[in-house]
Amino acid sequence: EIVLTQSPGTLSLSPGERATLSCRASQSVSSSYLAWYQQKPGQAPRLLIYGASSRATGIPDRFSGSGSGTDFTLTISRLEPEDFAVYYCQQYGSSAYTFGQGTKLEIK
Amino acid sequence: EVQLVESGGGLVKPGGSLRLSCAASGFTFSSYSMNWVRQAPGKGLEWVSSISSSSSYIYYADSVKGRFTISRDNAKNSLYLQMNSLRAEDTAVYYCARDAYSAVVGFDYWGQGTLVTVSS
Repeated sequence: EIVLTQSPGTLSLSPGERATLSCRASQSVSSSYLAWYQQKPGQAPRLLIYGASSRATGIPDRFSGSGSGTDFTLTISRLEPEDFAVYYCQQYGSSAYTFGQGTKLEIK
Repeated sequence: EVQLVESGGGLVKPGGSLRLSCAASGFTFSSYSMNWVRQAPGKGLEWVSSISSSSSYIYYADSVKGRFTISRDNAKNSLYLQMNSLRAEDTAVYYCARDAYSAVVGFDYWGQGTLVTVSS
């Protein structure tokens, strides 16, 4: 099973700042098989990025994804108040999906 | 509008069974793979099971293999999860989610979730 490790666990930033979230895989992941989600309290997750770098429908262009192999990054260029949430990466491999443990993005 | 509505959650004793349902609308259900994902209280997301559009391919997380069974009825636009031999660690909100794409990973629509509590 491929393990995804997200860092940092918690990121404290202010609106307007740039956020960089990391997702590291225990073995190489195809870029096609890496996605990012946002989850707010009491809500279902929301797909942000699929295929490592493609924005899902309706996702603002301040969200971008990059990376390959074992290292992937979600970047939020300029934080808006509604961006403070928990973010998860997800991968598919060997007939199974796994999620990272999440990064909580909190207001500083 | 795409909608996924889960039902069937509740309180069940350890060792008991429960069947979750997910009613889909607003899209051609039979064209998409579907998934169950769960989230224990205060914890992260855990993938549970996936089923392809025609039920040809079915996958389970190791944590539920042999106890849970995923199925679908394309005529009824419905997804199911039969959960047997339930344990306290199965307590979670269970979400159904649509597989957005056939060649890349991304679950683009999710239901609101249904809570399963396993406790004596």
